[in-house]
Amino acid sequence: GAGVSQSPRYKVAKRGQDVALRCDPISGHVSLFWYQQALGQGPEFLTYFQNEAQLDKSGLPSDRFFAERPEGSVSTLKIQRTQQEDSAVYLCASSFGTGINSPLHFGNGTRLTVT
Amino acid sequence: KQEVTQIPAALSVPEGENLVLNCSFTDSAIYNLQWFRQDPGKGLTSLLLIQSSQREQTSGRLNASLDKSSGRSTLYIAASQPGDSATYLCAVRVVDNNNDMRFGAGTRLTVKP
Repeated sequence: GAGVSQSPRYKVAKRGQDVALRCDPISGHVSLFWYQQALGQGPEFLTYFQNEAQLDKSGLPSDRFFAERPEGSVSTLKIQRTQQEDSAVYLCASSFGTGINSPLHFGNGTRLTVT
Repeated sequence: KQEVTQIPAALSVPEGENLVLNCSFTDSAIYNLQWFRQDPGKGLTSLLLIQSSQREQTSGRLNASLDKSSGRSTLYIAASQPGDSATYLCAVRVVDNNNDMRFGAGTRLTVKP
């Protein structure tokens, strides 16, 4: 596609429910990142994939958060037993290369509200 | 831990004014600094990237500077237009984890016609 696509755009979950957020990166992009953006704050790094390999998950806030990219393209971020503090916008970004100066392309995010 | 601060948090200017947005960071061990624009309900669009060895980058009416030793960057917007209204975020790529970009909270800019 033309850009990074994320679905759903909005998700409302009751506390304790599991959710799955999807990211379709730009075709051919090797690197994929997930970020969490709380209201009024900048994004915070969650995890990084290079193709199908999850090379860095140091930003995942708890073991309730799990991400995968099994075929090196689409990625899913799963949150188990959601809590109110999980409410945020979850942003996905991809880049063609793996270098530190490789431009990132962001999706429009999924706004998760946990009630 | 690297902390990124942006001042002011919000700024309102009349159309046509030149303006400066500020970004400061606590640890000079960075690979690069990037300025992004975020429109409401949207993702981030990269505006300018300055590598750690560079002092500034320019794109159209935008000019970003970097003083790594003092931990500061500025984004200069010339002849502002209502279409420039958005939140502007700066982010640094940290040396101790180059997968991690640390973002400031952003400056919300409103340009009044």
